[in-house]
Amino acid sequence: DAGITQSPRHKVTETGTPVTLRCHQTENHRYMYWYRQDPGHGLRLIHYSYGVKDTDKGEVSDGYSVSRSKTEDFLLTLESATSSQTSVYFCAITRLANTGELFFGEGSRLTVL
Amino acid sequence: DAKTTQPNSMESNEEEPVHLPCNHSTISGTDYIHWYRQLPSQGPEYVIHGLTSNVNNRMASLAIAEDRKSSTLILHRATLRDAAVYYCILRGLRTNFGNEKLTFGTGTRLTIIP
Repeated sequence: DAGITQSPRHKVTETGTPVTLRCHQTENHRYMYWYRQDPGHGLRLIHYSYGVKDTDKGEVSDGYSVSRSKTEDFLLTLESATSSQTSVYFCAITRLANTGELFFGEGSRLTVL
Repeated sequence: DAKTTQPNSMESNEEEPVHLPCNHSTISGTDYIHWYRQLPSQGPEYVIHGLTSNVNNRMASLAIAEDRKSSTLILHRATLRDAAVYYCILRGLRTNFGNEKLTFGTGTRLTIIP
């Protein structure tokens, strides 16, 4: 099975500090995604990547940046964290391109005080 | 991608079948119907998908209305481990396979009663 490791799994930080979340996949999947999940909003796409150094915005990209310098790693950065970015963040990959099946990581819970 | 409508919550007794409905009246002819579920404290997981015909796999069955404006996810014999939030999602035809910017709504929270 494709493996996704998200780190850190839990983080508490203060407003205004930078935060980077890492998503690491163990197989050579091209497409990777960052979602956030908040009560009452379901999952919302932040950014996605379609290859090394190829990224694009999702529906809630303001305040976030991403980087993908190698296939296996997709980084999500909050340059200056705000309390509204307190959320659970999920990384996903396209597991089977022909069916469009997404495979998700276990999530990273971020609390911004 | 077109929008879906699901009930906010449902309850079912353990070991009985569960029918989770989804309305998608604006579905286009090339939209696939996907279902995911999210167990507590976990990321969503793929359940099943279909286009026109009913589909079965080891997890569930998907019944699609003839006009495709609605579908039903069927869990044949619910267990306590099936308690989760179930998401019905439409996926448009992709010419660039792999670019899955799926739109997740708030889904249906399924509670299983022992």
